[in-house]
Amino acid sequence: DAGVIQSPRHEVTEMGQEVTLRCKPISGHNSLFWYRQTMMRGLELLIYFNNNVPIDDSGMPEDRFSAKMPNASFSTLKIQPSEPRDSAVYFCASSWDGAYGYTFGSGTRLTVV
Amino acid sequence: QQPVQSPQAVILREGEDAVINCSSSKALYSVHWYRQKHGEAPVFLMILLKGGEQKGHEKISASFNEKKQQSSLYLTASQLSYSGTYFCGTSSGSARQLTFGSGTQLTVLP
Repeated sequence: DAGVIQSPRHEVTEMGQEVTLRCKPISGHNSLFWYRQTMMRGLELLIYFNNNVPIDDSGMPEDRFSAKMPNASFSTLKIQPSEPRDSAVYFCASSWDGAYGYTFGSGTRLTVV
Repeated sequence: QQPVQSPQAVILREGEDAVINCSSSKALYSVHWYRQKHGEAPVFLMILLKGGEQKGHEKISASFNEKKQQSSLYLTASQLSYSGTYFCGTSSGSARQLTFGSGTQLTVLP
């Protein structure tokens, strides 16, 4: 298995632009998580999907952030409009039912200038 | 609430032992441990479910005391490859999503 695949690996964008991050979970995993990592705030959960349904989105910072999971093999995290404070590494992780270890993707390093 | 990890950082010589602690103010269902090397993604080490079990593989093991809502990660005879930041992640009740601690930076020197 290729693991959790995220794209792009790096994204540099200007403030106000729309940013879309993509994630392909491990086949057979039914739980998908989006986390954001910064030095100041550590690893923060943004949103959790189970069987493609959002279960907990309490970590989504504000309306500028949205996430979708149209099918079991694909998820997106969108930021519109982006702001410099959104700069961070965004990780996608998947798991079987969340009761087993998470497999993290390589992350997307987002820089908003 | 975020679990509290201690210590924040530890420096060891190769072959020495280390203990990293993780405590929560909430009743825990599970505790996960991950290691992250600089510029890489966190990598799963082990999971402990409520029941006070202890797990281990090779020279890394962990315990879970659900009454005290604490878990400890034990690294024995540390190797250079053990260097990195160790995170505990906890879940409570029926929730499956993890809340991560702030991490413990472990440095193993030759």
